[in-house]
Amino acid sequence: GAGVSQSPRYKVAKRGQDVALRCDPISGHVSLFWYQQALGQGPEFLTYFQNEAQLDKSGLPSDRFFAERPEGSVSTLKIQRTQQEDSAVYLCASSELTGYLPPEKLFFGSGTQLSVL
Amino acid sequence: AQTVTQSQPEMSVQEAETVTLSCTYDTSESDYYLFWYKQPPSRQMILVIRQEAYKQQNATENRFSVNFQKAAKSFSLKISDSQLGDAAMYFCTGPSGGSQGNLIFGKGTKLSVKP
Repeated sequence: GAGVSQSPRYKVAKRGQDVALRCDPISGHVSLFWYQQALGQGPEFLTYFQNEAQLDKSGLPSDRFFAERPEGSVSTLKIQRTQQEDSAVYLCASSELTGYLPPEKLFFGSGTQLSVL
Repeated sequence: AQTVTQSQPEMSVQEAETVTLSCTYDTSESDYYLFWYKQPPSRQMILVIRQEAYKQQNATENRFSVNFQKAAKSFSLKISDSQLGDAAMYFCTGPSGGSQGNLIFGKGTKLSVKP
C-alpha cells in the first residue's frame, strides 16, 4: 500500500479483555517497529522485527504483551487481560532494511487508540 | 542512561516568523542519528529532518534547519517562515543504545502558529 496502515483506529476494551492490533507496513519494508504513546508523552519503544524475526522485545512492559509477524509482512500486537494502564496510542512504523544504525527514516501509521475501561 | 530532553512543552510563533525548538540529549554512542518528527492531530508521525552525528554540517530541509552541537549534546530545530500547517507536536528523537529500532523520543513541544 501507499503507507503504513493500522487497524482498528480506535478500540475500547473492558478490563481483562484480550485485544489484537494490526499493522500493515509499506510493501517491501523489512523492518517493523511498535511504539506505545501515553497521553501527553512521546512514543516509547516496544518491539522490533526484521522480516519475521523479532530482534528486540525489550520494551514490552509485561508478559501480557505479545507481538508477531509470521510471514514478514503484517504484524499483530496482542495484549492479554488488558489493564487501565494499557490505555495509550499504539504506533506502528516500518522502514527499509537497516544496518547497524537506526533507519534513516521511519514511516509511521496513524496508530490505534486503545481505551481500557 | 541515554536520554532526550525537550524543555519547552509549548511554543507559539506568528505566521511567517521564525521559531526555535530546543532539545538536549545524552548518549554514549559515537555514531548515531538524531531526528525531529512532527505529529499533527492525525497522530501520524512525519520525519522533519535528520542529522548524522559524524557530520559537522548542520542539516537543512527547506524551511527547517538544525543547530547541532555535538560536544554540548544539543540539537535544536529552527523553523523559518512559519506556516499554519506547521502547527503540531514536535518530537526530538535520539539513540537509546539498544537495537536499531529502539529510539528514544522526548516528551514533545506543542507548536502553535498564530495567523
